[in-house]
Amino acid sequence: EAGVVQSPRYKIIEKKQPVAFWCNPISGHNTLYWYLQNLGQGPELLIRYENEEAVDDSQLPKDRFSAERLKGVDSTLKIQPAELGDSAVYLCASSRGAYNEQFFGPGTRLTVL
Amino acid sequence: GESVGLHLPTLSVQEGDNSIINCAYSNSASDYFIWYKQESGKGPQFIIDIRSNMDKRQGQRVTVLLNKTVKHLSLQIAATQPGDSAVYFCAENLMNRDDKIIFGKGTRLHILP
Repeated sequence: EAGVVQSPRYKIIEKKQPVAFWCNPISGHNTLYWYLQNLGQGPELLIRYENEEAVDDSQLPKDRFSAERLKGVDSTLKIQPAELGDSAVYLCASSRGAYNEQFFGPGTRLTVL
Repeated sequence: GESVGLHLPTLSVQEGDNSIINCAYSNSASDYFIWYKQESGKGPQFIIDIRSNMDKRQGQRVTVLLNKTVKHLSLQIAATQPGDSAVYFCAENLMNRDDKIIFGKGTRLHILP
C-alpha cells in the first residue's frame, strides 16, 4: 500500500512569493490533515478535512494560508504571500476517519529567503 | 493550559542498552497518548499508544508506561539498535471530544556504537 505522497519535497522561494504544496493521501482515507513543523518542535495542526469538508481550520492563518480538497482526495495548501517565518516543514497526514491512526507523509521543507 | 513536554531534548544510549524517554503532560482530561518516531527527512511514524484506563502497554521491543497520578508518560526501548536513532515525540488526545493530537517538542535519541 502506498503511503501519503507529498510534493515538492523541497521548495525555496523569496519572501512575498506564493507557494503551494500538494498531498495525496492513502487510498480510502477520508480524513486529511495539514501540519506545520518548526525545527526541533512537534507538528502543529493547521487544518483537518473530513472528505471535502474542512472541519477544523482554527489554527490556519487565513490571511495568507488557504487549503482545498475539492474532490475529497488530494489536497493543496497554499501560502500567499510567504513570509520569512513560514520557513518550516509542512506535513500532510491521513487516516480512515477521526480518532484513527494518522499516517504521515515525508513533508515539504519550505525555505523563505 | 494544555501542554505536552519532554524532560530531555537529547539522549545518548549505548547500542544494546535499554532507552527510556520521558514525557510530562499537564491536561488531566487527556485520555489517549501516542508515541511517534521521526527519522531525518521523514514524517512521524506511529510507535505505540495507550489509553488512560491502562498503565502499561507493550509492543515489540517497546513499552509505554502511564502514570496518571503525576501525569507522566514514558517510552522504553529494549536493546536499542542503530535504527532506533530518531526524534521521539509524545502526543496527547482527548478521545471522542476532539480529534486534535497535541505533540510535545521531541527527544533526539543517539545510539552510540
